[in-house]
Amino acid sequence: GNSVTQMEGPVTLSEEAFLTINCTYTATGYPSLFWYVQYPGEGLQLLLKATKADDKGSNKGFEATYRKETTSFHLEKGSVQVSDSAVYFCALQDSNYQLIWGAGTKLIIKP
Amino acid sequence: GAVVSQHPSRVICKSGTSVKIECRSLDFQATTMFWYRQFPKKSLMLMATSNEGSKATYEQGVEKDKFLINHASLTLSTLTVTSAHPEDSSFYICSAAEASGRFYGYTFGSGTRLTVV
Repeated sequence: GNSVTQMEGPVTLSEEAFLTINCTYTATGYPSLFWYVQYPGEGLQLLLKATKADDKGSNKGFEATYRKETTSFHLEKGSVQVSDSAVYFCALQDSNYQLIWGAGTKLIIKP
Repeated sequence: GAVVSQHPSRVICKSGTSVKIECRSLDFQATTMFWYRQFPKKSLMLMATSNEGSKATYEQGVEKDKFLINHASLTLSTLTVTSAHPEDSSFYICSAAEASGRFYGYTFGSGTRLTVV
């Protein structure tokens, strides 16, 4: 069945460091891919999305490219800030429009 | 953009009582709403999918008699945790898909932290 695997956390970085959070997926067909972010004490927010191969989603300095050949959708940011500290979830949308979630990666940014 | 209002954001209840959580789409019609539960250090778990005017579809292992879901209108879905116990303490999140069913319609509520004492 469909599944999403993302790197375990927590990931701890210093401010202005480069960020990569890995996400790979298993799916039939051509799913849409998402990154969601959950700030402390808040609900989920859509961070970015990509609907087809080679699409690049971007928002707030974060980017992720839909790589069908490697079945990956890694999240990157060139220079992280303390305010980026949150839990990040990778997800895919299956043919029934339901979301299949990764386990989440907690990101801690130290000043 | 689309907004989903979830209420209450936090609730503490005594063991054995029932708690109702509301999820409202404020500026769009949500034919489908999803209810998730988040365990500490775990990912979201889909509990059920509700379609307006019909019975909810529950995921395997979710007790439908314990977690009552009602989707009576295109803008409101409710989750009632009946006879709550401490193990029901969790973070519950709803999401709504607009009528087209495309992912553009996915909007999440802010979540409800339920603590059963």
